[in-house]
Amino acid sequence: DTAVSQTPKYLVTQMGNDKSIKCEQNLGHDTMYWYKQDSKKFLKIMFSYNNKELIINETVPNRFSPKSPDKAHLNLHINSLELGDSAVYFCASTEGTGDEKLFFGSGTQLSVL
Amino acid sequence: SQQGEEDPQALSIQEGENATMNCSYKTSINNLQWYRQNSGRGLVHLILIRSNEREKHSGRLRVTLDTSKKSSSLLITASRAADTASYFCATDSTGGFKTIFGAGTRLFVKA
Repeated sequence: DTAVSQTPKYLVTQMGNDKSIKCEQNLGHDTMYWYKQDSKKFLKIMFSYNNKELIINETVPNRFSPKSPDKAHLNLHINSLELGDSAVYFCASTEGTGDEKLFFGSGTQLSVL
Repeated sequence: SQQGEEDPQALSIQEGENATMNCSYKTSINNLQWYRQNSGRGLVHLILIRSNEREKHSGRLRVTLDTSKKSSSLLITASRAADTASYFCATDSTGGFKTIFGAGTRLFVKA
């Protein structure tokens, strides 16, 4: 009965590869997010989708492409991985687009070698 | 750029003591939230305080907000070893479409 689940938990890959991280929420929320947490623990928003529509796209390289097949899913595909992409990626959701609290997944630790 | 900054970056206390951490932010907000992150886990929401509120309590947590100083504090009373975690403040952006975090305060409670 996990609220926000993301897979895989760990991802180790070589530079130049393409990889995807999947996220699903069973809370019935309308809005989903991807956050990136770097080694210094800074947490930065990358994307936000509301009812499958992109509403936030921070300054993220276009190698990162989010896809939302339905409002319960928000996947993140990364092309041509670089060393600097190594981080922990968190999926999150909120009920709407207001000031509701965020529900986070447990994170995907991506290591690019 | 980060909207919020927590202070101190790290805090080590004995079980039973109180822990206070602070957050400063840069622009006007509608609300401020505090989250906890245990090692290797996602963030968990603790408490939300709105811009028209000055203080809020939840169990052993007390949050204050001073919008004139653009700052907030989180007080954890009678700390326990299980409170060991990183604590983040988060503020909403204009329009409330996203929540922006600082780098967190790492709290270590020694048993």
